[in-house]
Amino acid sequence: GNSVTQMEGPVTLSEEAFLTINCTYTATGYPSLFWYVQYPGEGLQLLLKATKADDKGSNKGFEATYRKETTSFHLEKGSVQVSDSAVYFCALSVIQGAQKLVFGQGTRLTINP
Amino acid sequence: EPEVTQTPSHQVTQMGQEVILRCVPISNHLYFYWYRQILGQKVEFLVSFYNNEISEKSEIFDDQFSVERPDGSNFTLKIRSTKLEDSAMYFCASTPEGTQYFGPGTRLTVL
Repeated sequence: GNSVTQMEGPVTLSEEAFLTINCTYTATGYPSLFWYVQYPGEGLQLLLKATKADDKGSNKGFEATYRKETTSFHLEKGSVQVSDSAVYFCALSVIQGAQKLVFGQGTRLTINP
Repeated sequence: EPEVTQTPSHQVTQMGQEVILRCVPISNHLYFYWYRQILGQKVEFLVSFYNNEISEKSEIFDDQFSVERPDGSNFTLKIRSTKLEDSAMYFCASTPEGTQYFGPGTRLTVL
């Protein structure tokens, strides 16, 4: 079946530090990959996506590259800010059928000033 | 920018009662979804809806759950007889085809 595994959290960093949140997946077929962010008290917002191998998604300084050979979609940011504190979810959807999203367990990120 | 809306933002109910959670998807979207997130856990797929019928449902979506699109705009999730373990955040999502856009969620608390 389809599944997503994220690095365990929580992650605590200082402002301007480099961020990596690891995400690997297992899928039948050729999934699209997503990172969603959930700020405190809010719903899920799409952060970035990639729909095929070697695509790079980027938004708000965050990047992730779809690596088919390592089945990974790691999230990176060069210099984090306090406002990046949130829970980050990696997810996939498979094109066939209802295209439901399968989520990882989420990684809580806290950035200290 | 159009967005998915959900009401109420918080619903408190007694065990065994029926609840209806409401969603207004983005108007030109064709696929609709419900997900839930139990506190501290991952977001889980419940059901997808397309062309006025369920296209896929998860094991969680048992006979206590139902979905409906009663008019051209609303999309509802009904839980017939709530259990304590139904306490969770429920998210509605919609898509034209591809990226799903989520509503802010309804927090359901079953006492």
